[in-house]
Amino acid sequence: DVKVTQSSRYLVKRTGEKVFLECVQDMDHENMFWYRQDPGLGLRLIYFSYDVKMKEKGDIPEGYSVSREKKERFSLILESASTNQTSMYLCASSNREGAYEQYFGPGTRLTVT
Amino acid sequence: GQSLEQPSEVTAVEGAIVQINCTYQTSGFYGLSWYQQHDGGAPTFLSYNALDGLEETGRFSSFLSRSDSYGYLLLQELQMKDSASYFCAVSPGYSSASKIIFGSGTRLSIRP
Repeated sequence: DVKVTQSSRYLVKRTGEKVFLECVQDMDHENMFWYRQDPGLGLRLIYFSYDVKMKEKGDIPEGYSVSREKKERFSLILESASTNQTSMYLCASSNREGAYEQYFGPGTRLTVT
Repeated sequence: GQSLEQPSEVTAVEGAIVQINCTYQTSGFYGLSWYQQHDGGAPTFLSYNALDGLEETGRFSSFLSRSDSYGYLLLQELQMKDSASYFCAVSPGYSSASKIIFGSGTRLSIRP
C-alpha cells in the first residue's frame, strides 16, 4: 500500500513564525502536491513538483514556498505565518497524470494565532 | 476562469441509488477524477474518466461527456458508510505538470 505521511496532525503557531510542513511518500512517486482545504472551498493546489528540485505554482502560492531535495520528501514552508493561513494542509503523491489516482496523507491542521 | 460545479449537499436513503453531478469550465481537459473523503480523513481516489462513457467499479460508476463538459458519480446500493464528501477534480492540461482543479465537494448523507 502507498503510504503518505505528514509530520504533524495538529500544529499551532504564532503570527510571523516560520512554519515547516513535511511530507514523505514511500512509493517512489514522481509527482507530489500540496493542497489546503477550507470549508466550502474544496481543495486548492498550492504547489506541486514533478521531479526532484522541480516545482510549479498552483492556484494559491502566495505566502508559501516548497522544497524537494529528495524524491520521497516534499516540504511546504510558510515564511511568515499569518492568521489567514489557518487551514487543513494535505499532501499527495502520484505517478499518474494530473488528478488521476493521487494518494493523500492524513493532513495537518494548522492554526495560526 | 476555470471552475467546477457540484451540489453542496445530497441526501439519500440506505439501499437506494444516488447521482452526484459535476460540470466544469476549463481551458483544457485531460480527465475527470472522483475522490471520497470521510470526516476527519484524507481524500481517497475512486475513479477516473478520460474518455466519454461509463466506468464501473463495484457499486460505484462514473460517467463523462466531454461535449457537455459534464460528469457524474453514481453510487448504488447505498450503505451508511458511504456518508462522506465527494469531490470531482479536473486536470486541465496534458501532462503531470498541469494544474489540478477540485470542486468544492458534495456532502452525501445517508438515512436509514
